[in-house]
Amino acid sequence: DIQMTQSPSTLSASVGDRVTITCRASHSISSWLAWYQQKPGKAPKLLIYKASTLESGVPSRFSGSGSGTDFTLTISSLQPDDFATYYCQQYHSYSYTFGLGTKLEIK
Amino acid sequence: EVQLLESGGGLVQPGGSLRLSCAASGFTFRTYAMSWVRQAPGKGLEWVSAIRGSGDLTFYADSVKGRFTISRDNSKNTLYLQMNNLRAEDTALYYCAKDNDALDMWGQGTKVTVFS
Repeated sequence: DIQMTQSPSTLSASVGDRVTITCRASHSISSWLAWYQQKPGKAPKLLIYKASTLESGVPSRFSGSGSGTDFTLTISSLQPDDFATYYCQQYHSYSYTFGLGTKLEIK
Repeated sequence: EVQLLESGGGLVQPGGSLRLSCAASGFTFRTYAMSWVRQAPGKGLEWVSAIRGSGDLTFYADSVKGRFTISRDNSKNTLYLQMNNLRAEDTALYYCAKDNDALDMWGQGTKVTVFS
């Protein structure tokens, strides 16, 4: 199975900050990577697919980049609604695998 | 509006069985693969199983292979997960998700608790 290593596990930031979360795959997954946001008590929500394509309705302050094994999720200017946990996921092949998550906290 | 509604969770003893259901609406169900993803209390997301739109191909995580069976009834727009020989480590919130390669729509989940 392809392992996904996500960092950091916790990130403290302030409203207006620019933040970056990274995800590394154990094998090349081309661009078959998605990013999800999850808030407490809620289902995950797709933010970005194919590494850099913004899902419909997702604010443009979210962006994704990378290919092969190294990927990043960037939030250009944090808003109060963005404090949540973020997961990367590879869908290059079954079994799909997720990163362990990054909890984005208010500093 | 795309909607996924899971049901069938509950309390069960180790070795027991449960069948989860996921009722889909708002999209052409038979044309999409579907996945089950679980989340243990306080933990991250774990993909469990997937099934192609026609139901002809299924995939499983190693942790559930041989114990869980995914299926679908396209005439009823419903996805299933038959879970046998349940273990304590299967305790989790189980989500169904529309599998458009990325998982672009999720239900709210159904809770499974395996206790002795």
